[in-house]
Amino acid sequence: TQLLEQSPQFLSIQEGENLTVYCNSSSVFSSLQWYRQEPGEGPVLLVTVVTGGEVKKLKRLTFQFGDARKDSSLHITAAQPGDTGLYLCAGDEAAGNKLTFGGGTRVLVKP
Amino acid sequence: SQTIHQWPATLVQPVGSPLSLECTVEGTSNPNLYWYRQAAGRGLQLLFYSVGIGQISSEVPQNLSASRPQDRQFILSSKKLLLSDSGFYLCAWSYGDIRGEQYFGPGTRLTVT
Repeated sequence: TQLLEQSPQFLSIQEGENLTVYCNSSSVFSSLQWYRQEPGEGPVLLVTVVTGGEVKKLKRLTFQFGDARKDSSLHITAAQPGDTGLYLCAGDEAAGNKLTFGGGTRVLVKP
Repeated sequence: SQTIHQWPATLVQPVGSPLSLECTVEGTSNPNLYWYRQAAGRGLQLLFYSVGIGQISSEVPQNLSASRPQDRQFILSSKKLLLSDSGFYLCAWSYGDIRGEQYFGPGTRLTVT
């Protein structure tokens, strides 16, 4: 079973600051997803990265897939309280049937 | 557009009682379906997944079982609940293509007392 490690586990910052969340594995993934989850709700898909070295931007969020497709990062610029939540990365093990989830990073953006 | 439903939203059950959680998907055909359990504030543990009617793959040996009686219906069951079964249960669906993207329901909060 492939494992995904997320760091840090918890991040508390002030509104307007930048933050980066990391997702690392020793295994290669065919694709990697990032999700955000609010308390008491299901995770919501933010982005999928497929190609090594790929960079995708979603407003103030920038997602990068490592060249070797073993790691990924999420960078938030000028964080806002609405960015608060649990961020989960997930890697595709076998071309679409199963995902392996990281342990999550809880982000708190204080106004 | 596709929609995924789960019910109930919350459930409090005594130890030893049976369990049935239901998940249905609308707006797509032959989806892959998944059951996950999530500990408070942490990542997701895959319990079962299904690529078609009657096809169930179990990921973790445990007190739970799953069934898929119809194409877009996925049921999580237990004959006798344990305290350790408490948690947040999430159902998800995917197209089963190479992108692997999954779409989640709102979840069921189960408390076993």
